[in-house]
Amino acid sequence: SQQGEEDPQALSIQEGENATMNCSYKTSINNLQWYRQNSGRGLVHLILIRSNEREKHSGRLRVTLDTSKKSSSLLITASRAADTASYFCATDARNTGFQKLVFGTGTRLLVSP
Amino acid sequence: EPEVTQTPSHQVTQMGQEVILRCVPISNHLYFYWYRQILGQKVEFLVSFYNNEISEKSEIFDDQFSVERPDGSNFTLKIRSTKLEDSAMYFCASSGGTGYTSYNEQFFGPGTRLTVL
Repeated sequence: SQQGEEDPQALSIQEGENATMNCSYKTSINNLQWYRQNSGRGLVHLILIRSNEREKHSGRLRVTLDTSKKSSSLLITASRAADTASYFCATDARNTGFQKLVFGTGTRLLVSP
Repeated sequence: EPEVTQTPSHQVTQMGQEVILRCVPISNHLYFYWYRQILGQKVEFLVSFYNNEISEKSEIFDDQFSVERPDGSNFTLKIRSTKLEDSAMYFCASSGGTGYTSYNEQFFGPGTRLTVL
């Protein structure tokens, strides 16, 4: 299947440190999206990177994509306590308007003050 | 900023009862989706909907499930006869707008937590 698997499963850091989360998947993709989920809440879209892109930035977020290794990383710089959440990658293999996102297992990030 | 909204935030029902979960997608979006997340598990795709018909559905989306866009703004998920294992968080999502949204970005609502007793 096209599963995304994140690692680490859990990450605990201090405020101000950088947090890096990785995602691996199995099949070719059209795009990969990262989402944040606060405990028991909805999914917040963070960033989308297309298969022909290698790196993308948005504020304190930096996403890389290596299609040869079928992997992506999400870097959060200068982390804050408010960044505490679960982070998921989701892949889509379609090059059409409608999608079928396949989510990974997620990384639980804890940022301590 | 436009967002996807869902009601109710929490629904409690008895096994065998019908439930309807409601969503208002982002107004200029063309593609609509339902996903679910059983507690502690991955988010799973249920169904996609475009041009007033189902584009794709997963094996989870059996005959007990149906979707509808009854008017120009609402998108609903109906479960005809709920089972205990239907207890989950149900997320509505939409994509495919113009202007500020990229074609493929999929935006999710806050979810409806369904508890089947």
